[in-house]
Amino acid sequence: QLHLQESGSGLVKPSQTLSLTCAVSGGSISNDRYSWTWIRQPPGKGLEWIGYIYFSGSTYYNPSLGGRVSISVDTSKNHFFLRLTSVSAADTAVYYCARSAPFDWIDPWGQGTLVTVSS
Amino acid sequence: QSVLTQPPSVSGAPGQRVTISCTGSSSNIGAGYDVHWYQQHPGTAPKLLIYGNFNRPSGVPDRFSGSQSGASASLAITGLQPEDESDYYCQSYDSSMRGSVFGGGTRLTVL
Repeated sequence: QLHLQESGSGLVKPSQTLSLTCAVSGGSISNDRYSWTWIRQPPGKGLEWIGYIYFSGSTYYNPSLGGRVSISVDTSKNHFFLRLTSVSAADTAVYYCARSAPFDWIDPWGQGTLVTVSS
Repeated sequence: QSVLTQPPSVSGAPGQRVTISCTGSSSNIGAGYDVHWYQQHPGTAPKLLIYGNFNRPSGVPDRFSGSQSGASASLAITGLQPEDESDYYCQSYDSSMRGSVFGGGTRLTVL
């Protein structure tokens, strides 16, 4: 059974870079049938798709993030990563990693990790 | 503002039936992309509830059903139970964003 687990800094200062890792177990990340996705949820608000990456390296990002986001993958470790630059308080959220079928559903999800942007 | 539109809240008594709507546009649901539904209890990750408009993953009770027509979709829950009290989100693919879009979420209260 596929399992995903997020990790990274829970507190980031404004204007700095948010970095998170998603560890995938129970299956290989080197499967181009799926994309590997980041989603976030500000406290008390709804879900926002951040972007995803295919094993081939193709990436797609939410235009609303204005080019601040990058997603990469390390197949040797079965991990994928999120970097979000120039963060502000508006980037405070629970960040989820997940697997998604192309153009389709998102499943399974990691448990999520809260990242707070504050000085 | 979310790309897909859901009512902020719905409610029903135990045993009743409720529906949650999800309205999109010609670049997502109206373009023929499937709708998927998630249930999220407080403090937990969303759980896939319905995929491909009307399919239930293993383990999801048949009290939950989905439908789609034109640029809209609906989630129906029959025989409401207290544990159904949760937030529900619809999701689809958007061709202009080239990625996933979500509804704003609907909070279901079981009276």
